[in-house]
Amino acid sequence: AQSVTQLDSQVPVFEEAPVELRCNYSSSVSVYLFWYVQYPNQGLQLLLKYLSGSTLVKGINGFEAEFNKSQTSFHLRKPSVHISDTAEYFCAVSEGDKIIFGKGTRLHILP
Amino acid sequence: DVKVTQSSRYLVKRTGEKVFLECVQDMDHENMFWYRQDPGLGLRLIYFSYDVKMKEKGDIPEGYSVSREKKERFSLILESASTNQTSMYLCASSSQPGAGELFFGEGSRLTVL
Repeated sequence: AQSVTQLDSQVPVFEEAPVELRCNYSSSVSVYLFWYVQYPNQGLQLLLKYLSGSTLVKGINGFEAEFNKSQTSFHLRKPSVHISDTAEYFCAVSEGDKIIFGKGTRLHILP
Repeated sequence: DVKVTQSSRYLVKRTGEKVFLECVQDMDHENMFWYRQDPGLGLRLIYFSYDVKMKEKGDIPEGYSVSREKKERFSLILESASTNQTSMYLCASSSQPGAGELFFGEGSRLTVL
């Protein structure tokens, strides 16, 4: 069975600094990979997804992620964060018809 | 604007009560999902459905059942609520299972006393 590991439960970062949120998944077979964001008191929404093709995927709000098959990683990055990026971020992987989520990383933006 | 609507944002129930959580989507999606979200545990799949009257168990189906009588509506049922079912419940729908974007509702926060 697939599993997703988000290595950091919380990440503090200063406003306008770069950030990387780490994600590793368990299987080396072909998978689809996703990052979702949950703003306070809201449901989740899709940031970006990798299905095939270019390993660098660009998403909404200036986020991007890189698929690394050899390291089974799909880390999320943003070159300069804003206070509005305060949220919880979830990495997810497909397993057949299901999507399996990681435990989430809370991004705290420091003024 | 596409929408997944969960009927109740907040519910408080007593142990042993039967609880219905309703979810409606307006995107004509075949696939619908129920997750529960707990701090430090992320989202865990309870049940999903890829067609009317079809259902599949997810990773934590114990203590739950579901109903999908119409394409747009997917209900989660707690036959006899227990305190360990206090949680945030999220409904989602998708046009393409496994590869398609999941569209989420805003969640139903259930407290069982």
